[in-house]
Amino acid sequence: GEDVEQSLFLSVREGDSSVINCTYTDSSSTYLYWYKQEPGAGLQLLTYIFSNMDMKQDQRLTVLLNKKDKHLSLRIADTQTGDSAIYFCAESPNTGNQFYFGTGTSLTVIP
Amino acid sequence: NAGVTQTPKFRILKIGQSMTLQCTQDMNHNYMYWYRQDPGMGLKLIYYSVGAGITDKGEVPNGYNVSRSTTEDFPLRLELAAPSQTSVYFCASNLRGGGDNEQFFGPGTRLTVL
Repeated sequence: GEDVEQSLFLSVREGDSSVINCTYTDSSSTYLYWYKQEPGAGLQLLTYIFSNMDMKQDQRLTVLLNKKDKHLSLRIADTQTGDSAIYFCAESPNTGNQFYFGTGTSLTVIP
Repeated sequence: NAGVTQTPKFRILKIGQSMTLQCTQDMNHNYMYWYRQDPGMGLKLIYYSVGAGITDKGEVPNGYNVSRSTTEDFPLRLELAAPSQTSVYFCASNLRGGGDNEQFFGPGTRLTVL
């Protein structure tokens, strides 16, 4: 299957910005996603970006896509303790039938 | 709407036992999926279905079986449990293919095989 890579851990101080990075290998990816998983829960979609876009902003979240480098990032502005969770990057190729997930980045927000 | 529900929440099996993980969605979604989540490994797709009567293998189907007799239900069957199947299992659904629609996840089933 396609490879989607993320760093495993990130710690930030409350109020700072967090940047979570992701790289993927499938150049035919049509949609790229960010999901959030809180402890003991399933994944919840945060946002997604279509591959013909470079950037998408949604309140405190900014997604940047560098299609040439196959690099996706999620920036969380003014990070709060409630943002502590695991964040998964995922991609869906053109068929849209399957989703490929990264390993997840565990974000810890220090008060 | 209850969304995607999974039962049981937790289960301990002995090696060689069998069990069925239940998944139900009440959103009239056509697409349903089973994933397993192992620490540091992300989610791996086991099986998926694009509609009642249609199932297909994902990345890691060995040791599992599925059926999709109704739109709502997508059970996952483990016939001969092995320690390698210790994992957290998530069921998910979305309305259609194409990628531009949200995939909804159930709360997960934590399975331990001893």
